[in-house]
Amino acid sequence: GAVVSQHPSWVICKSGTSVKIECRSLDFQATTMFWYRQFPKQSLMLMATSNEGSKATYEQGVEKDKFLINHASLTLSTLTVTSAHPEDSSFYICSAREPRIAGGIGETQYFGPGTRLLVL
Amino acid sequence: AQKVTQAQTEISVVEKEDVTLDCVYETRDTTYYLFWYKQPPSGELVFLIRRNSFDEQNEISGRYSWNFQKSTSSFNFTITASQVVDSAVYFCALSEDNYGGSQGNLIFGKGTKLSVKP
Repeated sequence: GAVVSQHPSWVICKSGTSVKIECRSLDFQATTMFWYRQFPKQSLMLMATSNEGSKATYEQGVEKDKFLINHASLTLSTLTVTSAHPEDSSFYICSAREPRIAGGIGETQYFGPGTRLLVL
Repeated sequence: AQKVTQAQTEISVVEKEDVTLDCVYETRDTTYYLFWYKQPPSGELVFLIRRNSFDEQNEISGRYSWNFQKSTSSFNFTITASQVVDSAVYFCALSEDNYGGSQGNLIFGKGTKLSVKP
């Protein structure tokens, strides 16, 4: 399957600082990437859909100014947690959706390895 | 409304046992896609399979097999002769087709934690 990388894998930061997480699709161009958040022993919660060249679409309840998303190229999306606080500590996972091939059927999302954020 | 139900929260088996993970979905669309992902303790979600709604043919891949039944809205996953390395959380997911556009977002079940003991 396709490969998606995520960097960094671990972040420990002080409250009030901003943290940037990068998500890259390594072997395909992804016009659409997704950012999820996962709490311990829970399922994935979609935060936002990142569209190349346009503004991200945020899910209800997710603060746009808190979680800044930039999708500057077809292989890179970034999530910046601004002024992080302890309640932002979580596991953040990105995914990249493979492009639909003309005449093809459906697309698959491939996930990055995730970033564990701990805000002290 | 779309919904994915994985009723089994945790399953524990002994190595070499067969185990089936259940997945029941709800959707009003006639065209949709079903997925299974594996999340080992490391955290990364590993894609296992995608099934299109118009293809009910069951699939086998090594020790893994999937049983898709539209009549019961189920997409169950069976691991034959389980191994310790199969220990992980398994997620079933659904997405609908946005006609003329891209596929809809993934709707995940709550996951089933599988523990395979030696």
